[in-house]
Amino acid sequence: KQEVTQIPAALSVPEGENLVLNCSFTDSAIYNLQWFRQDPGKGLTSLLLIQSSQREQTSGRLNASLDKSSGRSTLYIAASQPGDSATYLCAVKGGANSKLTFGKGITLSVRP
Amino acid sequence: DAGITQSPRHKVTETGTPVTLRCHQTENHRYMYWYRQDPGHGLRLIHYSYGVKDTDKGEVSDGYSVSRSKTEDFLLTLESATSSQTSVYFCAIGQGLDSPLHFGNGTRLTVT
Repeated sequence: KQEVTQIPAALSVPEGENLVLNCSFTDSAIYNLQWFRQDPGKGLTSLLLIQSSQREQTSGRLNASLDKSSGRSTLYIAASQPGDSATYLCAVKGGANSKLTFGKGITLSVRP
Repeated sequence: DAGITQSPRHKVTETGTPVTLRCHQTENHRYMYWYRQDPGHGLRLIHYSYGVKDTDKGEVSDGYSVSRSKTEDFLLTLESATSSQTSVYFCAIGQGLDSPLHFGNGTRLTVT
C-alpha cells in the first residue's frame, strides 16, 4: 500500500527566503505525482504535475522535482512571499487507473 | 476554480437523514471524484466516475452512493447520515488519466 509522507507538518520562514518542501513515498512504481496548494476554507489548487518519465516541472517561482528511485519529490519555492502562505500537499498516483494517495500536507507561513 | 461548483457550501443535518451533495462542472471533463477531508486522515477517495453512469468505489465508500446521469453533474448521497460523516467534502474533476485534478471549494457537512 502506497504511503505518502510530508515532513515537517508546519514551517515558518521569513519573506524572501528560498525554501524546499519535501514529499516521500514508499512505492517507487508511480504513474505521476502532483503538488497542490490549499488555502484555508478552500479547495485544492493544482500547482504542478510530474509524469513518471519526467524529472522536474517548473511554473514561475515553483519547481518540482521527482526522484522515483529514492521515493522523493521536492517543491522548491523561490523568493517566498506572504501570499505563499498555505498548506502544500503532494499526491502520488500508482498507475493509470489508480487513485491518488495524498500526503497530509505542510502548512507554510511566510512572515513579512 | 476550473468551472466546478459544489452545493450546498455548508449543511447541518440530523443523524439518520439522507443528504445529497451536488458537484457541477462546466469543463466537460470525463472524470469526476468525491473526496472527504478530515484532520489526521487527509484526503480520502469516496467514489469516482469515469463517464456518464460509470462509477466505482473508492477507499471509504461505505454509507455513500453516487450518481452521474449527465457529464456535468456528479451527486453524492449519504443514505442515512451518521456523526462519523461530519467532514468537508470535495469534488474534483480530471480531463484524462494523465491530467491534473481540479478541485471545487468544498461542502462542510455537520451531522448532529
